Amino acid sequence: EAGVAQSPRYKIIEKRQSVAFWCNPISGHATLYWYQQILGQGPKLLIQFQNNGVVDDSQLPKDRFSAERLKGVDSTLKIQPAKLEDSAVYLCASSPLGTRDVSGANVLTFGAGSRLTVL
Amino acid sequence: AQSVSQHNHHVILSEAASLELGCNYSYGGTVNLFWYVQYPGQHLQLLLKYFSGDPLVKGIKGFEAEFIKSKFSFNLRKPSVQWSDTAEYFCAVKNKAAGNKLTFGGGTRVLVKP
Repeated sequence: EAGVAQSPRYKIIEKRQSVAFWCNPISGHATLYWYQQILGQGPKLLIQFQNNGVVDDSQLPKDRFSAERLKGVDSTLKIQPAKLEDSAVYLCASSPLGTRDVSGANVLTFGAGSRLTVL
Repeated sequence: AQSVSQHNHHVILSEAASLELGCNYSYGGTVNLFWYVQYPGQHLQLLLKYFSGDPLVKGIKGFEAEFIKSKFSFNLRKPSVQWSDTAEYFCAVKNKAAGNKLTFGGGTRVLVKP
């Protein structure tokens, strides 16, 4: 089975510029997640979609971050304008099941990540 | 909100030594527990998971973890490490009260010297 695809792998921008990341989850996976991983820290959930609806975006800085999953398949995460503290790896993950169960079978599969450096 | 603590940020050990990484979480109730591993230059991969049953869980590559409910802990162990176990290890917890959100600890970097 193909994994979670992300692009670009690396991006360097100056502060106040904008950037977009793309994610294509595993085929058939209903749930898609965007995580932010700052160097030396664990991944932090930014937003969670189930199909094309937002389930949780409580930790998304909505003044500058936006994400969409229009057709319930691939997703984009945008940052505009970027700040220095946005430098991080942006991880996309997907899982086959919905969010209503606490089954351990609902395991997330992660992509390789997009590393953003803001200068 | 659920929080996950990993006590050691860095661990350095020699090949054949035993490894134990601590993980504690803040919220009780029904939880699912995971250890993910990130090898250098690779993406996060699932090492093992616990969702019910035997609290001693065996994962890939000889790793195991023990869920101790009374201590809110899910420590990872390996009796004899290899150089190829050099990686960053993340504990993660999911529970219904936190909206089934997967919450990660800060990670532990493990360096195994040959």
